[in-house]
Amino acid sequence: EDKVVQSPLSLVVHEGDTVTLNCSYEVTNFRSLLWYKQEKKAPTFLFMLTSSGIEKKSGRLSSILDKKELFSILNITATQTGDSAVYLCAVFGNEKLTFGTGTRLTIIP
Amino acid sequence: EPEVTQTPSHQVTQMGQEVILRCVPISNHLYFYWYRQILGQKVEFLVSFYNNEISEKSEIFDDQFSVERPDGSNFTLKIRSTKLEDSAMYFCASSAQVRGNEQFFGPGTRLTVL
Repeated sequence: EDKVVQSPLSLVVHEGDTVTLNCSYEVTNFRSLLWYKQEKKAPTFLFMLTSSGIEKKSGRLSSILDKKELFSILNITATQTGDSAVYLCAVFGNEKLTFGTGTRLTIIP
Repeated sequence: EPEVTQTPSHQVTQMGQEVILRCVPISNHLYFYWYRQILGQKVEFLVSFYNNEISEKSEIFDDQFSVERPDGSNFTLKIRSTKLEDSAMYFCASSAQVRGNEQFFGPGTRLTVL
């Protein structure tokens, strides 16, 4: 059975801190790993990773994939209150996305 | 910017009734998906659809569920006889030509079964 595990489940930090969110997976026929941000409703797309060792960057967010060790990390630097959300990791394999339970990130002003 | 839309935003129904949830995917996308998220739980895959047929479905997607693309724009999820445990947020998603490409999610339909 395909599995995606995220850690930590919950994280509370102060504005300006840097955070690292983890995602490990066991998925057959791996094609890609995706990160989403979920605030109130629908997940919104952040990154898609297909190759090991290549960092994807968007502003203060960055992510990297290790296909040998089967994990990915999402970094957020200089956090802001608007970064408070649930961050979802999902892996595409076998024609479907398998989601982790998410990391709930809370930024204290 | 193109987006996935879903209607209704909230549907309340009685147990045993049929519901149809509607989605309009992004126009040039070819792969379509339904997911559900029970309150407080993780997003779960239901079904993927390509070229007018189901390409993959999960164990959740049993005989009471069906999907259809009745015309060139809509993508529907039908639940034939709703149960209390079907109460959840249902998300539609679509992606472009390449499988595994980024999936864009609609805003969701909150289904409440009484």
